Amino acid sequence: RKEVEQDPGPFNVPEGATVAFNCTYSNSASQSFFWYRQDCRKEPKLLMSVYSSGNEDGRFTAQLNRASQYISLLIRDSKLSDSATYLCVVNRPFFSGGYNKLIFGAGTRLAVHP
Amino acid sequence: DAGITQSPRYKITETGRQVTLMCHQTWSHSYMFWYRQDLGHGLRLIYYSAAADITDKGEVPDGYVVSRSKTENFPLTLESATRSQTSVYFCASTHVGDQPQHFGDGTRLSIL
Repeated sequence: RKEVEQDPGPFNVPEGATVAFNCTYSNSASQSFFWYRQDCRKEPKLLMSVYSSGNEDGRFTAQLNRASQYISLLIRDSKLSDSATYLCVVNRPFFSGGYNKLIFGAGTRLAVHP
Repeated sequence: DAGITQSPRYKITETGRQVTLMCHQTWSHSYMFWYRQDLGHGLRLIYYSAAADITDKGEVPDGYVVSRSKTENFPLTLESATRSQTSVYFCASTHVGDQPQHFGDGTRLSIL
């Protein structure tokens, strides 16, 4: 089982639609969660962090479910410019010291059409 | 804001040649990373560095060498390039290990 799993998509939605992506992670000790956006193999860019209580940034809402070990991203009122690949990112704790790694999911593709 | 820059942006070379990809950041971030991204694989960590003179292997280190003599620079060298190393390479940095990483624009490397 991969540490971070995402549905690769693509999700094809019309403008104005609401779309949601889920991401599951395997390490119950993970504490940091993020969503990144990547356009056409350009560099990934941080979209938002995911907090335990859930958080919203404009049309984007991120939620964390620790019991089921998944995070979600909801996009409301989709725009053409939202077309991109969305990467789920989770930290892998390293308790005996050393580096606390970030593990990137392979991404979910979103295509918004007119 | 060009906090992290990679060079070259594009590189074509031949099998067996040595290639060095450069990464420079101006934030004084402690951590720096090299990833490769191939279709169907997502981002895979090659090497990372927690500070100057401290480096460690990631998931796919074979065929690569790194160094970090200065905090701001983290070059990646392919000692003898192979076709399987054709990929897009991203450098990233962060101040704290489990916090968001900031990525450079990437280097598109083709090995013929």
